[in-house]
Amino acid sequence: GQNIDQPTEMTATEGAIVQINCTYQTSGFNGLFWYQQHAGEAPTFLSYNVLDGLEEKGRFSSFLSRSKGYSYLLLKELQMKDSASYLCAVRGSGGYQKVTFGTGTKLQVIP
Amino acid sequence: NAGVTQTPKFRVLKTGQSMTLLCAQDMNHEYMYWYRQDPGMGLRLIHYSVGEGTTAKGEVPDGYNVSRLKKQNFLLGLESAAPSQTSVYFCASANRGNTEAFFGQGTRLTVV
Repeated sequence: GQNIDQPTEMTATEGAIVQINCTYQTSGFNGLFWYQQHAGEAPTFLSYNVLDGLEEKGRFSSFLSRSKGYSYLLLKELQMKDSASYLCAVRGSGGYQKVTFGTGTKLQVIP
Repeated sequence: NAGVTQTPKFRVLKTGQSMTLLCAQDMNHEYMYWYRQDPGMGLRLIHYSVGEGTTAKGEVPDGYNVSRLKKQNFLLGLESAAPSQTSVYFCASANRGNTEAFFGQGTRLTVV
């Protein structure tokens, strides 16, 4: 099975940097996703990591350490529109490679 | 370019009523999923399909049935709705490599 942990809520200031952590314990691992979900809307894809290291995509970066079962999402130059929930999800092994979602981290960006 | 479309967007049901949620995708994706999202619970997988004519149970399948008669459509049925099925339902689709899932806009279902 999969167990995914992330903080429930975080607050950060506009223009600052915030790091959202995700730890997981899985019976198999084939990659980790980050999704963004604004209130009342559908999740949208941010990143996918399958190898260790940092992947940068504009203001957002995602890091993975498979040996530690750990990932983080780094948001730079925070904007008010970044206020949303950030979902960590793990892709397991097996024929269908099921994706299991964490409960999400609600980020509030304040002026 | 519609992506993933869910109908209806909102619905109120009485306990014991039945309904079908429709999910349609125009990206020729092999995989399709139905999730429910409840406060504090995250997205939980109800049923999924890895291709036309195939379906399988996810984490919380009880009280739901699905069908995938056409590749582009994935139907979720509630035969006898219960208040515990009040939730937001999301459909998603992904390519065979499943490196990115695309979500529909959600269906907000209330069972009274």
